[in-house]
Amino acid sequence: GQSLEQPSEVTAVEGAIVQINCTYQTSGFYGLSWYQQHDGGAPTFLSYNALDGLEETGRFSSFLSRSDSYGYLLLQELQMKDSASYFCAVRTGNTPLVFGKGTRLSVIA
Amino acid sequence: DVKVTQSSRYLVKRTGEKVFLECVQDMDHENMFWYRQDPGLGLRLIYFSYDVKMKEKGDIPEGYSVSREKKERFSLILESASTNQTSMYLCASSDQGLGEAFFGQGTRLTVV
Repeated sequence: GQSLEQPSEVTAVEGAIVQINCTYQTSGFYGLSWYQQHDGGAPTFLSYNALDGLEETGRFSSFLSRSDSYGYLLLQELQMKDSASYFCAVRTGNTPLVFGKGTRLSVIA
Repeated sequence: DVKVTQSSRYLVKRTGEKVFLECVQDMDHENMFWYRQDPGLGLRLIYFSYDVKMKEKGDIPEGYSVSREKKERFSLILESASTNQTSMYLCASSDQGLGEAFFGQGTRLTVV
């Protein structure tokens, strides 16, 4: 089977940097995705890593280490609007995305 | 602008009713999925489809069925609704070979 572990809650200060970790166990791993979901909204795609290393998109970066079965999402210059739930998800060769349980990020002033 | 549209935002049904949740995508995606989301449990896969008239069970298919008669439409059916099926239901679609899925706005179903 497949499993993903991520912290359930993280709190950070506006303007700071926060890292949300994700470890996974799966077979046939293709890549790791990250999604953001605001309360009452739909999950929206943030990033996808298929290869080791860091991918940067504006204030958000995502990192993958395939050998460690580990990835993280890095949010810089935190804003109040970044308060949301963040999900990591793995893509394997023969199944749809499998999601972690999500990390609720609270940004405080 | 890409779009996945679910037929209802909120739905209240009675125990034992047959419930249809409809999902339509306009991106010509091959893959479509139904997830349910419950607090603390994340998104759990109910059923998915990689092609018209094709369906595969996900992690929690019991009590559900699906239909995909056309490429753009994927329906989730609750054969006999029960209170433990009260949840947020999310439909998604994706292209082959990509790690990006597009989600509908969700249907919050309450079974009373």
